[in-house]
Amino acid sequence: KAGVTQTPRYLIKTRGQQVTLSCSPISGHRSVSWYQQTPGQGLQFLFEYFSETQRNKGNFPGRFSGRQFSNSRSEMNVSTLELGDSALYLCASRLETGSGNTIYFGEGSWLTVV
Amino acid sequence: SQQGEEDPQALSIQEGENATMNCSYKTSINNLQWYRQNSGRGLVHLILIRSNEREKHSGRLRVTLDTSKKSSSLLITASRAADTASYFCAITQGGSEKLVFGKGTKLTVNP
Repeated sequence: KAGVTQTPRYLIKTRGQQVTLSCSPISGHRSVSWYQQTPGQGLQFLFEYFSETQRNKGNFPGRFSGRQFSNSRSEMNVSTLELGDSALYLCASRLETGSGNTIYFGEGSWLTVV
Repeated sequence: SQQGEEDPQALSIQEGENATMNCSYKTSINNLQWYRQNSGRGLVHLILIRSNEREKHSGRLRVTLDTSKKSSSLLITASRAADTASYFCAITQGGSEKLVFGKGTKLTVNP
């Protein structure tokens, strides 16, 4: 069974640009969530989607958005990039909502904003 | 904000020794999960322990949970150089499914 797949793995963008990151969850998993990891702030929750609906959102500005498609694949978008958006963006999937379900992470997308 | 706090922040041991990492949190939880992260890579799930469980084992890993003290520990026995990584605890709480992570413990196992 394939794991959580994230693309691209590495990318460099310029301030002011926008970026879209993609995530394919484990087959059969309907819940997808996104996390940002930086040296200063650590791992922080961005948002979670289940059956194409955003169920939860972290404390990030509106420049960060996401969506989930009917096949459970998810994308997140960051507009008007700032230097501080440089981070490892991690996608995670879970079989379904409800506590007690293991959450599996992808390898992440490294975003560098210059 | 991060509720989980790992202790120590960094740990250096010799191969074959045991490594113990601790995690404390501030509120009631649904469950607590431990993850490993090799440098620059994604998070690998190690163990999930529910709030009504006290101890779980998986291979060389042993996790304990003390909800009265709001703390958990991860024990890695007979450590190997390949165990070198950062280890994070993460909690879920209330009606939310989001993971709240600690800052992690960086473990170095010297051959």
